[in-house]
Amino acid sequence: NAGVTQTPKFQVLKTGQSMTLQCAQDMNHNSMYWYRQDPGMGLRLIYYSASEGTTDKGEVPNGYNVSRLNKREFSLRLESAAPSQTSVYFCASRSTGATDTQYFGPGTRLTVL
Amino acid sequence: EDKVVQSPLSLVVHEGDTVTLNCSYEVTNFRSLLWYKQEKKAPTFLFMLTSSGIEKKSGRLSSILDKKELFSILNITATQTGDSAVYLCALNYGGSQGNLIFGKGTKLSVKP
Repeated sequence: NAGVTQTPKFQVLKTGQSMTLQCAQDMNHNSMYWYRQDPGMGLRLIYYSASEGTTDKGEVPNGYNVSRLNKREFSLRLESAAPSQTSVYFCASRSTGATDTQYFGPGTRLTVL
Repeated sequence: EDKVVQSPLSLVVHEGDTVTLNCSYEVTNFRSLLWYKQEKKAPTFLFMLTSSGIEKKSGRLSSILDKKELFSILNITATQTGDSAVYLCALNYGGSQGNLIFGKGTKLSVKP
């Protein structure tokens, strides 16, 4: 049982390049989330998906797109990376059983030069 | 304006000390308040609090929620170097979506 997995772990991009961050969960959760974490800013929600086939904007969606490929996978795409997108990105999925909480992946550290 | 405020932002203690971390919030209509521990990687779940005045306990960690005064505290007794981490507080406010608002965290450093 791997929980939430993310790839890649690290990435360096040049301004203007594009890339996709991958996330998968094996817990059969309906809801999945993408966050970014910056020093002094805490975790901020970029996009979320309440169920397969639906996505919605969070607090900081500009410059990002997402795809909920199936129940397991939720990807985040940067079409034209900017230095302001340098951050650590976390994917999470939500358990709504006895404890309603989110479980996080290990993160992707992205640097945009 | 931040809806979830944690204090202090950082704290240095010695092994064996007891610490209290604070989380105050402005949102009055929410499903639960969550505490996470973040070491070098992903946040890991500690507690979920839904009712005021009921303490949740796990080993040396305990937490309580006060819905009247709009705050929660996380206590750690007999601290160990392994408790060094950033502790995050979050509100589950997003109805059926379960969206979370996070505080900026408290960085705890426990010296031997």
